[in-house]
Amino acid sequence: DTAVSQTPKYLVTQMGNDKSIKCEQNLGHDTMYWYKQDSKKFLKIMFSYNNKELIINETVPNRFSPKSPDKAHLNLHINSLELGDSAVYFCASSQGNLREPQHFGDGTRLSIL
Amino acid sequence: LAKTTQPISMDSYEGQEVNITCSHNNIATNDYITWYQQFPSQGPRFIIQGYKTKVTNEVASLFIPADRKSSTLSLPRVSLSDTAVYYCLAGTALIFGKGTTLSVSS
Repeated sequence: DTAVSQTPKYLVTQMGNDKSIKCEQNLGHDTMYWYKQDSKKFLKIMFSYNNKELIINETVPNRFSPKSPDKAHLNLHINSLELGDSAVYFCASSQGNLREPQHFGDGTRLSIL
Repeated sequence: LAKTTQPISMDSYEGQEVNITCSHNNIATNDYITWYQQFPSQGPRFIIQGYKTKVTNEVASLFIPADRKSSTLSLPRVSLSDTAVYYCLAGTALIFGKGTTLSVSS
């Protein structure tokens, strides 16, 4: 059973489009995260939700909007996609506070044409 | 937030012990040190976490001196499959940085 699953695995689209990435965890964790890993391999936190409430909101363009319908799901919607949005996006989850080990999905590779 | 510094890359041969050191000079009193491993096209995977002295699990050991300003991840008898990027994090700082790229050769 996959603990943290993201869909789609690959996403190729054109500039200006709107797209969503879905994430689900079956670990019973109450905290979920979105990270962005760019071409230089830096892995940066974007958002974190705890029990459906936003607790971390880093400096991210407001074209990115996370949504947590329940504590097992954290989706990422991106409006008006730009070339610079090309990256691998990782979803993760952890139990309890931010010190707890995180479990990551295998990423969604987003390519903007 | 505690910032960490670790070597960009390391090379080793199969069967050797590999030690990767991470410095975290301004670590807070109640911060833990956590290490992750990342293979290409996969998300990071938790390896080990510790607060002080020594922690050991089936994969690695983590050594933390008394001043807690650094820590060392020890991988015993590495194999080719240990080739990956290793990240050190301190406390709640969700900053993965560039990590240490470990290359294991036969």
